[in-house]
Amino acid sequence: AQKVTQAQTEISVVEKEDVTLDCVYETRDTTYYLFWYKQPPSGELVFLIRRNSFDEQNEISGRYSWNFQKSTSSFNFTITASQVVDSAVYFCALSEASDKIIFGKGTRLHILP
Amino acid sequence: KAGVTQTPRYLIKTRGQQVTLSCSPISGHRSVSWYQQTPGQGLQFLFEYFSETQRNKGNFPGRFSGRQFSNSRSEMNVSTLELGDSALYLCASRGTSGYYEQYFGPGTRLTVT
Repeated sequence: AQKVTQAQTEISVVEKEDVTLDCVYETRDTTYYLFWYKQPPSGELVFLIRRNSFDEQNEISGRYSWNFQKSTSSFNFTITASQVVDSAVYFCALSEASDKIIFGKGTRLHILP
Repeated sequence: KAGVTQTPRYLIKTRGQQVTLSCSPISGHRSVSWYQQTPGQGLQFLFEYFSETQRNKGNFPGRFSGRQFSNSRSEMNVSTLELGDSALYLCASRGTSGYYEQYFGPGTRLTVT
């Protein structure tokens, strides 16, 4: 069965600090997709990144970076030099071939000015 | 390209009533999925439609149903509303050609009193 665990329920950091959001997944498939979504206070889920199981390259996009490690079944997300606008709930998600996406419980991130 | 739209944005219903929510996917997207988000259960998958056919279904009672029209627009219906159905209902659409990420609408906030 597929499962996504985000152990950090809530994190608070001071602006300009770096912060890493953890995500651990479980799946029996060899082909799967991992995602990160951001949900700001407005409520709409915003897609951030997709990774497929065959691509373990880390990715950097501006202040965001993602570390995918199949050996530990983890797909962690780091925000460098955090800003108040990064405050949101962040969801890690997993999809197998069925297209159904399973979400973690989310990590609520507070960036304090 | 316009994003996923959902109507209405807010709804207040009484226990025992029924409700219909509407979702218009991104133009060209044929897959529409529905999710329920509550503070306690997080984001839970309801069902997915593709080309007017239900492809996947989550673990929800039969009171929750949906359909998709030939123009890919989708509706979700909840009959005999219960207090526990109060939630944010999110619709997401997905394109084809190997893109597995889903794009979400702003959601419909349903309150059952």
